[in-house]
Amino acid sequence: QSVLTQPPSASGTPGQRVTISCSGSNSNIGSNYVYWYQQLPGTAPKLLIYRNYQRPSGVPDRFSGSKSGTSATLGITGLQTGDEADYYCGTWDSSLRAGVFGGGTKLTVL
Amino acid sequence: DVQVLESGGGLVQPGGSLRLSCAASGFPLRNSAMNWVRQAPGKGLEWVSTISGSDGTTHYADSVKGRFTISRDNSRNTMNLQMNSLRVEDAALYYCVKGHDSSFYAFDVWGQGTMVTVSS
Repeated sequence: QSVLTQPPSASGTPGQRVTISCSGSNSNIGSNYVYWYQQLPGTAPKLLIYRNYQRPSGVPDRFSGSKSGTSATLGITGLQTGDEADYYCGTWDSSLRAGVFGGGTKLTVL
Repeated sequence: DVQVLESGGGLVQPGGSLRLSCAASGFPLRNSAMNWVRQAPGKGLEWVSTISGSDGTTHYADSVKGRFTISRDNSRNTMNLQMNSLRVEDAALYYCVKGHDSSFYAFDVWGQGTMVTVSS
């Protein structure tokens, strides 16, 4: 059981927009930055979004992040087949004094 | 080029010990938070431990507290994870991860991982 809650799966067709939610509590998302990671099949995860909405250099602006209260959302526009991956949200939980991840969302591009 | 490379994984019996190492290149390890994140086969990511870049403060997941010890050797630009009293549930791919500058709990540069198998 993950501290952060994500839907196990999401899907869309090429060109569409898809969103992935991440729900937490006041002690984690509510009081710390949210980060998003993309894990393509058979590879190590990659930082996709930092500090809630900022993109590292090299990450296309098709990817966006937002946070409101104790929830965060990853948005992907102009969906591509190469976006098929597992997506994880992560943050720090100030009560647990621990790093926490969501269970991951498997994105399928139909 | 900023890179991290893990080593030291392998097969160990329950109750045994293993020492993972992470060699950093392209950056001084002492300036960054460094982390271990693991992933059991077919499962999600699990944060294991962090050592801060500034003062060496360490943090551990409850699941490994008291059994695992994270450390770093600035002179060799390496980080280690000493794992004792290993359990079957510790089996996973262990990633060494350089922390992102924005926060000590952000994971920026990932290695390819080293596999730990715990089985009798």
